[in-house]
Amino acid sequence: EAGVTQFPSHSVIEKGQTVTLRCDPISGHDNLYWYRRVMGKEIKFLLHFVKESKQDESGMPNNRFLAERTGGTYSTLKVQPAELEDSGVYFCASSPVWGRNNEQFFGPGTRLTVL
Amino acid sequence: LAKTTQPISMDSYEGQEVNITCSHNNIATNDYITWYQQFPSQGPRFIIQGYKTKVTNEVASLFIPADRKSSTLSLPRVSLSDTAVYYCLGNYGQNFVFGPGTRLSVLP
Repeated sequence: EAGVTQFPSHSVIEKGQTVTLRCDPISGHDNLYWYRRVMGKEIKFLLHFVKESKQDESGMPNNRFLAERTGGTYSTLKVQPAELEDSGVYFCASSPVWGRNNEQFFGPGTRLTVL
Repeated sequence: LAKTTQPISMDSYEGQEVNITCSHNNIATNDYITWYQQFPSQGPRFIIQGYKTKVTNEVASLFIPADRKSSTLSLPRVSLSDTAVYYCLGNYGQNFVFGPGTRLSVLP
């Protein structure tokens, strides 16, 4: 069974440009999560989808970040315009159920560098 | 917000048992205690989860005292490949809160 995949693995862009990250969850997983770790900081929760609906987007840093999950399958996270402080690793995770005891399966992450 | 505290780093030798303790003083009644492992350039990987007493799987054991204010992850007979960062996770609502983790270095 394929795990969570993320594309691209690395992205280098200039400040002010737009970048779109993609996450393909494990097939059949209704729950999809985005996290990120910026330089020197801890992994932080960004948002959670249940199918195509945003269940919790309390961790989204500002309105330059837009996450979508059309059709309830893959998800995209767009950063527009990118700023230097957006550099870091963006992780996607998925789970079949949602709750305090759920196991989330993480992808390998996308390393974003904003110059 | 359930915050966790764990040692920043630990060293061990191959074949030893490693115990990593995590403090979670304000854990909520319904929160589970979850541990993840992360290798460089990979996403975190679930190791074990428990609510109270002891849980064991093929990878590790998790000991949780009755007051649930701490937990101990036990890795039996570690090998070089167990070198990684280990996270003890709290919950914020239904979502995970990652701390800085414990960087375990297994030496030959």
